[in-house]
Amino acid sequence: QVQLVESGGGVVQPGRSLRLSCAASGFTFSTYGIHWVRQAPGKGLEWVALISFDGRIEYYADSVKGRFTVSRDNSKNTLYLQMNSLRAEDTAVYYCAKDHIMDVWGQGTTVTVSS
Amino acid sequence: SSELTQDPAVSVALGQTVRITCQGDSLRSYYATWYQQKPGQAPLLVLHGETNRPSGIPDRFSGSSSGNTASLTIAGAQAEDEADYYCNSRDSSGNHWVFGGGTKLTVL
Repeated sequence: QVQLVESGGGVVQPGRSLRLSCAASGFTFSTYGIHWVRQAPGKGLEWVALISFDGRIEYYADSVKGRFTVSRDNSKNTLYLQMNSLRAEDTAVYYCAKDHIMDVWGQGTTVTVSS
Repeated sequence: SSELTQDPAVSVALGQTVRITCQGDSLRSYYATWYQQKPGQAPLLVLHGETNRPSGIPDRFSGSSSGNTASLTIAGAQAEDEADYYCNSRDSSGNHWVFGGGTKLTVL
């Protein structure tokens, strides 16, 4: 079945970096754009970034622009989110979601930024 | 404006009809997409393109829009519909996506 599985979350100190992965299966990964969306504890959903199907177009929320980079390896059916200069306010569950309508979501991976 | 506004909480009696609304300037240009999220779970797409329900979503869920307002209607709400509901759309630039603040639906 169509599935997205995030990994790479953890506890990290402010200012450090972390890379999240999103492994896709059950669909032709290379033909879909993929979003990253996050949810801080007890808060609503926040859109983070989108990468186009071929990786040539990237869009970022203002809150992460210049610090986060989204990329993908279509040969590995995997999406990445490189997060640099992490801040406490980046603490959240991070989800990847398929297609512009976000029709399939992963289960999320938790990132905690704390000293 | 890049914001989408939702009522924080709405309640409905079991079996009755409830409408959840989402307001924002970008909705004049782009359809809203709606997601249901239950505690501890990932969001689930329930409606896109104003009226399109993914496979497996009951037909009691429907959508509409007018001007800068999109609506999700649940006709005959069930206990399992109790959840947070989020609207989403591109913003006016078309290069960013934005979520509403979410509406917590309580089924009484």
